[in-house]
Amino acid sequence: TQLLEQSPQFLSIQEGENLTVYCNSSSVFSSLQWYRQEPGEGPVLLVTVVTGGEVKKLKRLTFQFGDARKDSSLHITAAQPGDTGLYLCADPANFGNEKLTFGTGTRLTIIP
Amino acid sequence: DVKVTQSSRYLVKRTGEKVFLECVQDMDHENMFWYRQDPGLGLRLIYFSYDVKMKEKGDIPEGYSVSREKKERFSLILESASTNQTSMYLCASKVPGGGNSPLHFGNGTRLTVT
Repeated sequence: TQLLEQSPQFLSIQEGENLTVYCNSSSVFSSLQWYRQEPGEGPVLLVTVVTGGEVKKLKRLTFQFGDARKDSSLHITAAQPGDTGLYLCADPANFGNEKLTFGTGTRLTIIP
Repeated sequence: DVKVTQSSRYLVKRTGEKVFLECVQDMDHENMFWYRQDPGLGLRLIYFSYDVKMKEKGDIPEGYSVSREKKERFSLILESASTNQTSMYLCASKVPGGGNSPLHFGNGTRLTVT
């Protein structure tokens, strides 16, 4: 069974600071999804990365997929209180297998 | 927008009770999923279904069953609730055909078994 490890588990920073969270796998990802779960809600997809070395930007969020497709990072610039939430990475299984494997998550708190 | 609706936000049940958690999606998705979410353990797949009356076990099916009589509705059943089933339960749906399409989640049901 593939293991997805996310770090740090908890992160609390001041508004305006930058931060990076990580997702690492014990095996090669087919592709990778990042979700954000705000308090009291279900996770919502932020991005899917597919190609090794790929970089995607979503406003102040930058997602990077490792060259070897075994790791990914999420960098947030000038964090805002609205960024508070649980960030989850997920590895869609091989084509035809509908299971998703989720990491344990990084719980991010932005202090105003 | 896709809407996945879970019938209860909070439930409190007693040990040994039969518990039904209901989930309805409005986007005609073939695939539906039940996860439980626990601190430090992330989301763990209980069961999923890729069509009406079809079901597959996920990572932690023990103590649970499911029902999919209609395409839009996927029910999770705890036959005899136990305290170790106290958790947040999340339902999700997606289109079939590979893993890159997103999961659409409901807002969860927080179940407490006393």
